Amino acid sequence: SYELTQPPSVSVSPGQTASITCSGDKVGNKYASWYQQKPGQSPVLVIYQDTKRPSGIPERFSGSNSGNTATLTISGTQAMDEADYYCQAWDSSTYVVFGGGTKLTVL
Amino acid sequence: QLQLQESGLGLVKPSETLSLTCTVSGGSISSSSYYWGWIRQPPGQGLEWIGTIYYSGTTYYNPSLKSRVTISVDTSKNQFSLRLSSVTAADTAVYYCARRSTGYCSSTSCNYYFDYWGQGTLVTVSS
Repeated sequence: SYELTQPPSVSVSPGQTASITCSGDKVGNKYASWYQQKPGQSPVLVIYQDTKRPSGIPERFSGSNSGNTATLTISGTQAMDEADYYCQAWDSSTYVVFGGGTKLTVL
Repeated sequence: QLQLQESGLGLVKPSETLSLTCTVSGGSISSSSYYWGWIRQPPGQGLEWIGTIYYSGTTYYNPSLKSRVTISVDTSKNQFSLRLSSVTAADTAVYYCARRSTGYCSSTSCNYYFDYWGQGTLVTVSS
C-alpha cells in the first residue's frame, strides 16, 4: 500500500519561512494536497494540485512536488499559522492517502 | 455557502454498527462535479480516509476498512450516510464528512482533494 511520511514536528520563528515535507515513492508523479487543522477545528484545504491555493488562502502558503518529496512552504510565518498540517495524495492501490501530520510550532 | 453537517449517535457498543448521516446544504449532492466522502480522526492521531460516494451510488472504500463499511446516498434528502459494522474501541474517532471534486486523472495519478468539510462528530465505542 502507498504511504506518505511527514516529520512529526517543525518549529519556526515568527516572520521566517517554514517548510513541511511529505515523502512518498515517486510522489512527484502524483497530485499533492495540503490541509491545515487547528485544535478542535476541521481541516482546511490550503494547497491542491501541488501548487494551487483555494480562494481565501493567503499567498504566504505555497507548495511544490518533485521526485519523492512534496513540500508545503509558509513564508513570513505568523502565529496564526500554528497548527497541524497534513499532506494527501491519491494512489491506485489505496485511493486516498493522508500523511501522518506535522505539528507546526511558531516560537 | 456550502455546509455539511454530520449527525448520529455519539456512543456505540463494541460489535455493533456505527451509523452517521451527512446533510448537505447550500448545494446539491446530485451535482456531477463532486463526490462525497467520510474521513475519521482518532483522538490525538491523524486523518484516515474511509470512503467516497458519487450521487449515482458509485463507491470507493479504504481497502483496510472495506469489509465493514457501507456508504449510501439519498439524493431526495441531500444526504449521504456511513455504516461501519463490528466496531471496536479502535473505531473511536471524530468522523468528518467532506466534499471532493471530481478532479481529473493523468497517466499516474488523480487530482482528488477535499475542499469542504463538516464540523465533525465524535463517536465513542464503549460498553
